[in-house]
Amino acid sequence: DAKTTQPNSMESNEEEPVHLPCNHSTISGTDYIHWYRQLPSQGPEYVIHGLTSNVNNRMASLAIAEDRKSSTLILHRATLRDAAVYYCILRSNFGNEKLTFGTGTRLTIIP
Amino acid sequence: NAGVTQTPKFRVLKTGQSMTLLCAQDMNHEYMYWYRQDPGMGLRLIHYSVGEGTTAKGEVPDGYNVSRLKKQNFLLGLESAAPSQTSVYFCASARQHPNTEAFFGQGTRLTVV
Repeated sequence: DAKTTQPNSMESNEEEPVHLPCNHSTISGTDYIHWYRQLPSQGPEYVIHGLTSNVNNRMASLAIAEDRKSSTLILHRATLRDAAVYYCILRSNFGNEKLTFGTGTRLTIIP
Repeated sequence: NAGVTQTPKFRVLKTGQSMTLLCAQDMNHEYMYWYRQDPGMGLRLIHYSVGEGTTAKGEVPDGYNVSRLKKQNFLLGLESAAPSQTSVYFCASARQHPNTEAFFGQGTRLTVV
């Protein structure tokens, strides 16, 4: 299975942009890069995903490196409600249906 | 739509007791997953299913059994609960194509004493 590597923790000031990195150097051509976040005492929730091109939605932006070996989740203006653990995972098919998570990045927002 | 619903939300078991956790989804998803999450840790995959009547082992399958008799339901069983199985259990479902998001339940907090 292709693995992802993320920093254990990050801090950011409220109302500042946040860039959360993820390395996936063994990514295959059919792997989609997904981001989920887990708020305290809740189940994970979807944030964004992409394959090759950068993606934007109402929650965040996803910047994917040209060689696809890394990606960055961008929260444009962090709020206290964005404090969570953020997981970067790869979704694939072609016989690899497992959906496995690493330890993620714990994001702390400083008021 | 209810999404992914887990039953029960909380449970306390005595060592050696058995129980079944139910995960139900109303989105006609092919894939379903069971995870456990210990304090301060990430999610670890227990078992998963790629369709009705199929199951497969994940990263930490020992001590658990699963069944998917109906497409919308994925059951996780503990035949003889142990204190090491005290954890929060999450269920997830997703469509087959990786260009779609996964949906998670709100979790079942299980304590084995």
